[in-house]
Amino acid sequence: AQSVTQLDSHVSVSEGTPVLLRCNYSSSYSPSLFWYVQHPNKGLQLLLKYTSAATLVKGINGFEAEFKKSETSFHLTKPSAHMSDAAEYFCVVSENTGNQFYFGTGTSLTVIP
Amino acid sequence: DVKVTQSSRYLVKRTGEKVFLECVQDMDHENMFWYRQDPGLGLRLIYFSYDVKMKEKGDIPEGYSVSREKKERFSLILESASTNQTSMYLCASSSEGYNQPQHFGDGTRLSIL
Repeated sequence: AQSVTQLDSHVSVSEGTPVLLRCNYSSSYSPSLFWYVQHPNKGLQLLLKYTSAATLVKGINGFEAEFKKSETSFHLTKPSAHMSDAAEYFCVVSENTGNQFYFGTGTSLTVIP
Repeated sequence: DVKVTQSSRYLVKRTGEKVFLECVQDMDHENMFWYRQDPGLGLRLIYFSYDVKMKEKGDIPEGYSVSREKKERFSLILESASTNQTSMYLCASSSEGYNQPQHFGDGTRLSIL
């Protein structure tokens, strides 16, 4: 069965410091993994995706994530937080068994000036 | 760029009314999805469609139906609106294939009074 666990519901960082948003997944098959960002009253925007190519994936706005199969993790990082990064972040997994996507419950990122 | 357009950003209806939420995508995507998003519960799948006139129930289909008469349009119908259907509704589309990301509309915030 597929599941996604975002280990922190809220993360606060100071502007200019690194960001780490953690995601663990369970999957019976080779998964595809995605990170999305949602700003207030907006839809979800794709940050990056992993689809069995390079394990270190670079996305938009300076974000990147590393797929670690042995740890079943796909953590999202950014070297230096910006005020505009304050938003909700979702980790998502899909498998090659169908058209469904499985969402984590989200991590709210606060950036302190 | 893919554009997913939801017909209303904000909508207020009364209990018992039949409510239609419309979603249109412009990228010829096979798959379309309806989610609702509630605080603390994340995104929950209501229905999805992988082809014209095809539909599959998601995790919470009760009280909802859908229609997909044309490839670009996916409608969500609340047959008899109730106050517990007050929520943010998000539409998404994707190309066929589990490694293809979803593209989201900006959402409809629906209030049932």
